[in-house]
Amino acid sequence: EAQVTQNPRYLITVTGKKLTVTCSQNMNHEYMSWYRQDPGLGLRQIYYSMNVEVTDKGDVPEGYKVSRKEKRNFPLILESPSPNQTSLYFCASSLTRGNTEAFFGQGTRLTVV
Amino acid sequence: GESVGLHLPTLSVQEGDNSIINCAYSNSASDYFIWYKQESGKGPQFIIDIRSNMDKRQGQRVTVLLNKTVKHLSLQIAATQPGDSAVYFCAENYNYGQNFVFGPGTRLSVLP
Repeated sequence: EAQVTQNPRYLITVTGKKLTVTCSQNMNHEYMSWYRQDPGLGLRQIYYSMNVEVTDKGDVPEGYKVSRKEKRNFPLILESPSPNQTSLYFCASSLTRGNTEAFFGQGTRLTVV
Repeated sequence: GESVGLHLPTLSVQEGDNSIINCAYSNSASDYFIWYKQESGKGPQFIIDIRSNMDKRQGQRVTVLLNKTVKHLSLQIAATQPGDSAVYFCAENYNYGQNFVFGPGTRLSVLP
């Protein structure tokens, strides 16, 4: 089954404790991206990757890092989480950067206390 | 980034009626405009897109209209069904497909 898998689905952590949210897709997609979803603000793009070893900042990259060492994986790293990073996070992938049909994961609800 | 917004945060329609969800955008340089549907507890799901050089595109029970003069996008759902209840997002795709900007969403509730 074609899918984007995020882990964990739920996470509660403390300020400053480094964490990684994993994202994996099995569709051989080139383009992957991370979003955060906050009430009233919709989805905002954090980082995106057009292919292996090619990543770039989206609209809200501060406080986040990503890597793309393999085509299927695109982890989101919070080196020192803060309460304002409490949010619902989505990973998405699409065939290429110009393809509008993005496939989203189930989401990761992160709470930073 | 550029902003994409919505006129109405909530919309309630009777089952069987047609629904119209509206969206205003600000980036005239966008390549595509897209509609996504998000059901409770799930990630957004692609519905339909329209290229910036088109003004209308139809899918199965859905039609997207693009009015570049007033920078307005709409999604029409024919014969709305209970399964259409969800939050609908419009989005822009620009910078040669590198960037997506989403609106805040409209919640569609289908009344029996």
